[in-house]
Amino acid sequence: AQSVTQPDIHITVSEGASLELRCNYSYGATPYLFWYVQSPGQGLQLLLKYFSGDTLVQGIKGFEAEFKRSQSSFNLRKPSVHWSDAAEYFCAVTSGAAGNKLTFGGGTRVLVKP
Amino acid sequence: NAGVTQTPKFQVLKTGQSMTLQCAQDMNHEYMSWYRQDPGMGLRLIHYSVGAGITDQGEVPNGYNVSRSTTEDFPLRLLSAAPSQTSVYFCASSYERGSHEQYFGPGTRLTVT
Repeated sequence: AQSVTQPDIHITVSEGASLELRCNYSYGATPYLFWYVQSPGQGLQLLLKYFSGDTLVQGIKGFEAEFKRSQSSFNLRKPSVHWSDAAEYFCAVTSGAAGNKLTFGGGTRVLVKP
Repeated sequence: NAGVTQTPKFQVLKTGQSMTLQCAQDMNHEYMSWYRQDPGMGLRLIHYSVGAGITDQGEVPNGYNVSRSTTEDFPLRLLSAAPSQTSVYFCASSYERGSHEQYFGPGTRLTVT
């Protein structure tokens, strides 16, 4: 069965510092990978996605993620964090065979210190 | 476009009561789904639909029913609410089966006492 692991439940980062959120997946088929962000009391917004091609993908709000097949990872990065980046971040995976059924990780909550 | 809308935003039920969570989208999306979000567990798929008249179970379907009589609407029914169904519920939609990118509604926070 497919699974997604986000090892860090909480991360605290200073404003202006870099941020990296980890995501590891276990999936039998070729994965399609996503990062979503959820601001407090809001729904989920897609940050970026990887289907194929260049393994470094750019998203909205200055985020990027790198797909590493050998490590089954899809880590999210941002060079300089803004206070508005405080939110919960979810990694998710699906495949062509699974249609649009997403399997989510448990989420990482990011706190930004002034 | 309003996107994906959900009503109500908040709901408190007593154990054994039934209710329907509403979800609608105005983007003519074929695919719609319901997820529940619980702390530390991310979102888990309850039911999904690939088009009007077609529904199927997701990862955690027990205690929930769905129907899809129109493209726009995908209601989720709790037949007999239980405290274990206390959660935040999200509806999502996407253009077609292969597009994968889903658009989420704002969520319904449900408490069952």
